[in-house]
Amino acid sequence: GESVGLHLPTLSVQEGDNSIINCAYSNSASDYFIWYKQESGKGPQFIIDIRSNMDKRQGQRVTVLLNKTVKHLSLQIAATQPGDSAVYFCAETGGSQGNLIFGKGTKLSVKP
Amino acid sequence: DTAVSQTPKYLVTQMGNDKSIKCEQNLGHDTMYWYKQDSKKFLKIMFSYNNKELIINETVPNRFSPKSPDKAHLNLHINSLELGDSAVYFCASSRREETQYFGPGTRLLVL
Repeated sequence: GESVGLHLPTLSVQEGDNSIINCAYSNSASDYFIWYKQESGKGPQFIIDIRSNMDKRQGQRVTVLLNKTVKHLSLQIAATQPGDSAVYFCAETGGSQGNLIFGKGTKLSVKP
Repeated sequence: DTAVSQTPKYLVTQMGNDKSIKCEQNLGHDTMYWYKQDSKKFLKIMFSYNNKELIINETVPNRFSPKSPDKAHLNLHINSLELGDSAVYFCASSRREETQYFGPGTRLLVL
């Protein structure tokens, strides 16, 4: 069955604050993880990825943390902006043929 | 210079009709995908093609038939449309098992 899930379906933050979006996965064999951002009316957009041989990876204002011990993935967004408002998906290569399995999504709302 | 494009963007049709959605990518990727996103935003893979060959076919009714005329195109044909087919359909592409890049989606509404 589907193995990727999210702890919080919605997250509301104040503009300028940091956001943390969490994701749990159950397939310990997954070795590649991706965060996508989906704005209203658009397709998912790649944000950042991480391989299982890493614990942390940083991008521009975003950081992904991977804790393989508890099978947990998180996305941190620094200084959250109104343009960050979207649904965020985590995905893992947990499928039977190496395909991506997506989590349910977390809606991030940024209050001005 | 759109990387992954889909047509049409919106598709409204009657139950029982047959329709096609087209997808093209200009990224030089060898793998293309079709996903279905339901009203709760859940994304589920339907098909995957690598070098024009079907490699993933999830539990999808056989009314759905993908066709890949070449590596840059993956079209989705749907026969005898049903109400439950209403959703947003996304095409994506990647180099095999690497980051997938998504198209803008086709919003299908079956009446």
